[in-house]
Amino acid sequence: GAGVSQSPSNKVTEKGKDVELRCDPISGHTALYWYRQSLGQGLEFLIYFQGNSAPDKSGLPSDRFSAERTGGSVSTLTIQRTQQEDSAVYLCASSARMNTEAFFGQGTRLTVV
Amino acid sequence: QKEVEQNSGPLSVPEGAIASLNCTYSDRGSQSFFWYRQYSGKSPELIMSIYSNGDKEDGRFTAQLNKASQYVSLLIRDSQPSDSATYLCAVNINDYKLSFGAGTTVTVRA
Repeated sequence: GAGVSQSPSNKVTEKGKDVELRCDPISGHTALYWYRQSLGQGLEFLIYFQGNSAPDKSGLPSDRFSAERTGGSVSTLTIQRTQQEDSAVYLCASSARMNTEAFFGQGTRLTVV
Repeated sequence: QKEVEQNSGPLSVPEGAIASLNCTYSDRGSQSFFWYRQYSGKSPELIMSIYSNGDKEDGRFTAQLNKASQYVSLLIRDSQPSDSATYLCAVNINDYKLSFGAGTTVTVRA
């Protein structure tokens, strides 16, 4: 596709349920980032994938959060046993390779009720 | 020390004036620097990238980089109401991690 695509755009879930967020990066981009942005706050780094290298998971806030990237393309971010504090916009970005310009998707707004 | 710090703002400028945004970073080895614009309720949009010391101009935007001082700035000339947004400074830390500042909110008064 022409840009980074994220789905769903909005997700409302009940506390305790698991959710999966999807990111489809720009074709050919080897680097992929996930960020979280709470209301009125900055971007919090979650995880980084570069090609086939082991991902940097240093930003994941708890073991309820996990992410994978299949075939070096599509990535899914999974949040297990969601909590109200998980409510935020989850943003995905991709870049052609590390240290180059990164482009964001439109984000997934997650609301935990 | 935060990895990327921006002047806190908010910044209010009259239409037609110059808006000046500043950013400092902690990793002396950083090589890649970016400015993003984020409108309320939207995702960040890349507006400038800079990799070498000095100035880089693109239309009404000028990015300035000084690696010795670990400082990067963005100037917006002839500010327009449509420039009202939050501006995010981003720096590659440890040669890969793209770390963001908290952002500076700019309001251009008509």
